[in-house]
Amino acid sequence: EVQLVQSGAEVKKPGESLKISCKGSGYSFTTYWIGWVRQMPGKGLEWMGIIYPDDSDTRYSPSFQGQVTISADKSISAAYLQWSSLKASDSAIYYCARLRARGSYVDYWGQGTLVIVSS
Amino acid sequence: QSVLTQPPSVSGALGQRVTISCTGSSSNIGAGYDVHWYQQLPGTAPKVLIYGNKNRPSGVPDRFSGSKSGSSVSLAITGLQAEDEADYHCQSYDNSLSDYIFGTGTKVTVL
Repeated sequence: EVQLVQSGAEVKKPGESLKISCKGSGYSFTTYWIGWVRQMPGKGLEWMGIIYPDDSDTRYSPSFQGQVTISADKSISAAYLQWSSLKASDSAIYYCARLRARGSYVDYWGQGTLVIVSS
Repeated sequence: QSVLTQPPSVSGALGQRVTISCTGSSSNIGAGYDVHWYQQLPGTAPKVLIYGNKNRPSGVPDRFSGSKSGSSVSLAITGLQAEDEADYHCQSYDNSLSDYIFGTGTKVTVL
């Protein structure tokens, strides 16, 4: 069974750093693109970027370029999303998602990680 | 960021048919890129409902159907059920942005 299991909720202060994770199982982790999607409170879905775990080829959506870092460790089938300096506006639910193929649809989603940034 | 426009909300009585539109442009839907639909039940992660404009993954009831015409696509739900109350999002690719895009999202309410 394919699963994407994300790390737990985080409460951080503005200016702090954070790295959240997404661990895949039940399939060949290196052969599917993984994407990160943001959902701000009461809002729609936004693509942040994608990574190919086999070679860590990473593409960022323009709105998120320079704001976050996406990485992967194929040895442990994990993908990561990190911030070096959080802002209150980063408060949201973040989903990792497996793409059926590049340019295609998401066939599996993680359960989401809630990030709250508040002083 | 959204360049796919959906109505904010649609509603219908139990058993009725509702449709949700997803309107794009010549750089995404009009350029021939596939559109996919996701259902997001309250407090849960989205799940794919329709992929490649009109295909249903196994396990998705045939009450859900997708269609495409020009730069617009639609999701239809026939025989509306209480459990269909959710947010629905369309998704495609845009070649001018060189990026994946989601629609603005539609909340379906069952009356």
